[in-house]
Amino acid sequence: EVQLVESGGGLVKPGGSLRLSCAASGFTFSSYSMNWVRQAPGKGLEWVSSISSSSSYIHYADSVKGRFTISRDNAKNSLYLQMNSLRAEDTAVYYCAREETYYDILSGYSLWYFDDWGQGTLVTVSS
Amino acid sequence: SSELTQDPAVSVALGQTVRITCQGDSLRSYYASWYQQKPGQAPVLVIYGKNNRPSGIPDRFSGSSSGNTASLTITGAQAEDEADYYCNSRDSSGSHLGVFGGGTKLTVL
Repeated sequence: EVQLVESGGGLVKPGGSLRLSCAASGFTFSSYSMNWVRQAPGKGLEWVSSISSSSSYIHYADSVKGRFTISRDNAKNSLYLQMNSLRAEDTAVYYCAREETYYDILSGYSLWYFDDWGQGTLVTVSS
Repeated sequence: SSELTQDPAVSVALGQTVRITCQGDSLRSYYASWYQQKPGQAPVLVIYGKNNRPSGIPDRFSGSSSGNTASLTITGAQAEDEADYYCNSRDSSGSHLGVFGGGTKLTVL
């Protein structure tokens, strides 16, 4: 059974830093790209960042680029999100999610989706 | 950056059929994926690809796509289907950024 368990959330002052972790089990972690998705209180889902299986490809939403850093340790089956220069608008539940992606030759369409999610960890940025 | 547009709220009578739509330019290159989220819970994948359901998702959930619009259809909606539904894809411009629709609150009457 796939399990993704986030940790590291908490209360932090504006301008502060926090490091989130996501412990993966039940699958070959090193074979999958992983993502962080967040949800502000009462709001919708927002994609934050992705990292390929070997860390070769990393992407960030414009809202966090230059402040957040995604990383992974395949030996420890763990995904991380280093968050610096935190703002009130970064307050959210942060989910890690396993990514599946491939190209459907028959249709000419690509697929990109998250087939497993953690339960999330709450980050609150407030003075 | 790419955007996905969803109606904020939709309602359906118990046992009836409801369609939730998602529009965006990226959907001309990417199939939308659909997630169900109930209060206080993590999102759950319900549809991916052309019309694929993960194990455990009832067959009353189905997906379709045409042009820049993707649809999630629930045939014979049940009370437990009341939830928020989000579509998702990747930006098709080559930026590899992800994008979610704003979500649709489904009410089962």
